Amino acid sequence: DAGVTQSPTHLIKTRGQQVTLRCSPKSGHDTVSWYQQALGQGPQFIFQYYEEEERQRGNFPDRFSGHQFPNYSSELNVNALLLGDSALYLCASSLAVWTSGGSTDTQYFGPGTRLTVL
Amino acid sequence: QKEVEQNSGPLSVPEGAIASLNCTYSDRGSQSFFWYRQYSGKSPELIMSIYSNGDKEDGRFTAQLNKASQYVSLLIRDSQPSDSATYLCAAYHMDSNYQLIWGAGTKLIIKP
Repeated sequence: DAGVTQSPTHLIKTRGQQVTLRCSPKSGHDTVSWYQQALGQGPQFIFQYYEEEERQRGNFPDRFSGHQFPNYSSELNVNALLLGDSALYLCASSLAVWTSGGSTDTQYFGPGTRLTVL
Repeated sequence: QKEVEQNSGPLSVPEGAIASLNCTYSDRGSQSFFWYRQYSGKSPELIMSIYSNGDKEDGRFTAQLNKASQYVSLLIRDSQPSDSATYLCAAYHMDSNYQLIWGAGTKLIIKP
């Protein structure tokens, strides 16, 4: 059973460039969440995709955009890169489960993409 | 402001002892809680989830949830050097149902 995969593992870009990160969810999962994690901090939620639509978005500028494909895989695009975008980008997949008490989705993470902006 | 708070540590525990990690959350309506372990430079790995008040055990790990006091803890029995990592606590908030709110993590060091 394949887990969550991400590509590439490492990436070096310069300021102003654009980058695309890719994620394939765990088999059977239909939801993909993207996070940014700076050194020494917890993951910061960027957005979540479900049924090919952005279901929720965190406090990130429009330079961050994404897409989910019919096979549930997802891309994260970042335009006009800034030095501050250097971080570990994490993709987490889950199976949408809704209860009367709210979400209980358990998220499983891929290995991450380390982005360095010079 | 939806928050999950953790002591950043480091928490130093002798090998073989019990490590106790704590997390508090601000949203009284939170229903689902998760503990993840993250080794340096790696991605978070799920340890346990807990939804009901009380204890939940899985091997050497026990998660404890107290909704009245709004805290969740993780106990690690018979701590091993391989348990040295950062432990992240996360919770879903009722008014943000698809977004996990994360603590900054507690760094745990197990001393041989």
